[in-house]
Amino acid sequence: GAVVSQHPSRVICKSGTSVKIECRSLDFQATTMFWYRQFPKQSLMLMATSNEGSKATYEQGVEKDKFLINHASLTLSTLTVTSAHPEDSSFYICSAINRASTEAFFGQGTRLTVV
Amino acid sequence: SQQGEEDPQALSIQEGENATMNCSYKTSINNLQWYRQNSGRGLVHLILIRSNEREKHSGRLRVTLDTSKKSSSLLITASRAADTASYFCATPSGGYQKVTFGTGTKLQVIP
Repeated sequence: GAVVSQHPSRVICKSGTSVKIECRSLDFQATTMFWYRQFPKQSLMLMATSNEGSKATYEQGVEKDKFLINHASLTLSTLTVTSAHPEDSSFYICSAINRASTEAFFGQGTRLTVV
Repeated sequence: SQQGEEDPQALSIQEGENATMNCSYKTSINNLQWYRQNSGRGLVHLILIRSNEREKHSGRLRVTLDTSKKSSSLLITASRAADTASYFCATPSGGYQKVTFGTGTKLQVIP
């Protein structure tokens, strides 16, 4: 089946630094990818929609300057958490839409801890 | 707001019993997916059912879909301790197949 690779799986960073998370579709092309955030014991909340070659669309309440999204190719989207703070600590998950089948597949997630 | 809502929010059963979780959603869909998430881990895709399907099986999993009631159910038969996890339904919506998740059912299978 289709595989979406998300890297890193875990990252610890200091307050004020930036962290980049990668989401790759390994065996299909994805014109659209989504980024989600999950707080402890809660469901996944959609942060933004990333479209290849264009600007990301952010959900209400998500700061675009804080969470930079780049979708430079049909197989890669990146989420950069800029000037991270402890409240940014969370579980981030991406999903990629298979352009051919329009089905969504999810990465394994990245646990970000900001100290 | 969440597109889907799972019911119950939490379920505790003995190993060997069946577990049934339900999901209701609000808008029209062309497919519905169920995922499992172990505590602190990523999502594992379990099964996808399309809107023209009423029932689908995969191993010990059985999923039903009732588009007239906008609901789906996930049945896990002969549960095992390893089935302990949170289960989410997810539905695509919008022109970009934006997938939104329900609130999840936390299943505990007691050995």
